[in-house]
Amino acid sequence: AQSVAQPEDQVKVAEGNPLTVKCTYSVSGNPYLFWYVQYPNRGLQFLLKYITGDNLVKGSYGFEAEFNKSQTSFHLKKPSALVSDSALYFCAVTRNNAGNMLTFGGGTRLMVKP
Amino acid sequence: DAGVIQSPRHEVTEMGQEVTLRCKPISGHNSLFWYRQTMMRGLELLIYFNNNVPIDDSGMPEDRFSAKMPNASFSTLKIQPSEPRDSAVYFCASRPTRGQDRSAAFFGQGTRLTVV
Repeated sequence: AQSVAQPEDQVKVAEGNPLTVKCTYSVSGNPYLFWYVQYPNRGLQFLLKYITGDNLVKGSYGFEAEFNKSQTSFHLKKPSALVSDSALYFCAVTRNNAGNMLTFGGGTRLMVKP
Repeated sequence: DAGVIQSPRHEVTEMGQEVTLRCKPISGHNSLFWYRQTMMRGLELLIYFNNNVPIDDSGMPEDRFSAKMPNASFSTLKIQPSEPRDSAVYFCASRPTRGQDRSAAFFGQGTRLTVV
């Protein structure tokens, strides 16, 4: 079985400050990890993924995530938050790259204050 | 490409009625997923298909739910009879299983279902 935990329901940061949204996972074998963002009344948008290679992955809108195998974590980060980053963020894991289901975390609501 | 297309965007129906949600995946994507999103349970996988074949439907909550994928460009999720607790946003997603970007799933805008 595979699972994802996002320990924070909500993260609040001030605009211009760095942000981190936490994610830990459990999966047998090598993980494939993803971050998605959901704006109000919209579908989920793909942000970035880790498949293999460098542990630091860069994605859309200035976001990046760091894969840490020993801590089974894949935290989402951004050096300087924008008010427009306020949204719901989902971490997801799957076991391989060929059609297996994505298992999502519960989501973390990011609020960036001006 | 227009992305994953879902219809309708909103559906309000009375308890006991049949509801059919539709999804058109991105052309060339071999995997299709149906998810349900609620405040209480978050994002749940209901079923997924590879090459039009259902692979895992263990997330389908009850026999009232059924999904079909008659061809590579169309899928339906049907609830019959519907109940108020089925009220949620239902997302369809598709994912290529070949090529460089074969890992990322792309989501539709969702169908907001309200059963009264």
